Amino acid sequence: DQQVKQNSPSLSVQEGRISILNCDYTNSMFDYFLWYKKYPAEGPTFLISISSIKDKNEDGRFTVFLNKSAKHLSLHIVPSQPGDSAVYFCAAEEKSSGNTGKLIFGQGTTLQVKP
Amino acid sequence: GAVVSQHPSWVICKSGTSVKIECRSLDFQATTMFWYRQFPKQSLMLMATSNEGSKATYEQGVEKDKFLINHASLTLSTLTVTSAHPEDSSFYICSAGSGPYSNQPQHFGDGTRLSIL
Repeated sequence: DQQVKQNSPSLSVQEGRISILNCDYTNSMFDYFLWYKKYPAEGPTFLISISSIKDKNEDGRFTVFLNKSAKHLSLHIVPSQPGDSAVYFCAAEEKSSGNTGKLIFGQGTTLQVKP
Repeated sequence: GAVVSQHPSWVICKSGTSVKIECRSLDFQATTMFWYRQFPKQSLMLMATSNEGSKATYEQGVEKDKFLINHASLTLSTLTVTSAHPEDSSFYICSAGSGPYSNQPQHFGDGTRLSIL
């Protein structure tokens, strides 16, 4: 049962344009969401997060939007740069339930930003 | 920022041997460490959660006698793959967190590529 889904395995955008990566979840108990970026043979690097009490969080070129009713979140990168090319993982957590803090990851989306 | 160090980064060994992977949080006290496994082009699958000074909690389907986890201090957790076989070959990644009520996200090590011949 895939509780966190990233239905697009890959995305290609032109440098300078917007990249939009999508993520859907099924567990309504999730109340904290994160995006991680991963290069081959390296561990994921934290990018940005959002609590379920918010619908938007922005950090520089990265903005995460959360639509709780649709159980959907998205990561916007604007403007996209070639260095953004990597695999992006969406992750979800049940913070309020006293869970140990374990994250449930989506399958990842490979972003390619073309110069 | 927070740094998590994972060693070794790459291991090649014969079938039947045991392999130990270390995960250290270098600049913060990690009350909880997580061990993940990633197959090529797939998601990170949580194997187990370890809390300092207590037994690890394993996810369904993960053999605790196969994958021994020790979390002896707030900065070190180890994963030992016992009697490794070719099907254990994978990319193993650890992460360290400050607990479920912390606002700090988990930070990951750079992973260990394990190849069993």
